[in-house]
Amino acid sequence: ETGVTQTPRHLVMGMTNKKSLKCEQHLGHNAMYWYKQSAKKPLELMFVYNFKEQTENNSVPSRFSPECPNSSHLFLHLHTLQPEDSALYLCASSQASPGTGRGYTFGSGTRLTVV
Amino acid sequence: QQQVKQSPQSLIVQKGGISIINCAYENTAFDYFPWYQQFPGKGPALLIAIRPDVSEKKEGRFTISFNKSAKQFSLHIMDSQPGDSATYFCAASSNSGGYQKVTFGTGTKLQVIP
Repeated sequence: ETGVTQTPRHLVMGMTNKKSLKCEQHLGHNAMYWYKQSAKKPLELMFVYNFKEQTENNSVPSRFSPECPNSSHLFLHLHTLQPEDSALYLCASSQASPGTGRGYTFGSGTRLTVV
Repeated sequence: QQQVKQSPQSLIVQKGGISIINCAYENTAFDYFPWYQQFPGKGPALLIAIRPDVSEKKEGRFTISFNKSAKQFSLHIMDSQPGDSATYFCAASSNSGGYQKVTFGTGTKLQVIP
């Protein structure tokens, strides 16, 4: 168990569906991130939340909508997706304060397939 | 613009051999260089990391070599084992507004054959 839990592990959705991905961490970290992992491409940062406030939106289409109700939970709401959005979506957390341990803790990801 | 370049894309090494993965970066603001290991069906996990004021860091069979002037760093896996077969990502990060901004390489798929 990595300390970062993502659900569901697998998701198949139609282009007109609405679904949500959930991420939960119990590490006491202050920052949470959504990444997209596609084959043969670098990990793409989508959103960053620092102390529940969105601090970065990396030019992500509006069909992806993040939500961070508290420092332990992060959601990614999906609607009217395209087939090219099929990928592994990874959640990560880290300690935001300088001088503490660095590095992300990743969840196992949600494998999303858009049909 | 890809700020962290990683090579090779794939690597096959015999058991007991040395696996070497290379990375180069462009942004001199990066101040932390982690390596992540990812097994199929899992998220990446932090393996080992180095700061730019150190030229080498060793943890068990894993060693990072860092060349600040050349803006290059590499991962060496000594005595490679079949259990090391995974995808390895180099990364570079900096603190940005109180959180870590990490740029990843494209990954190297390592296969260690018996």
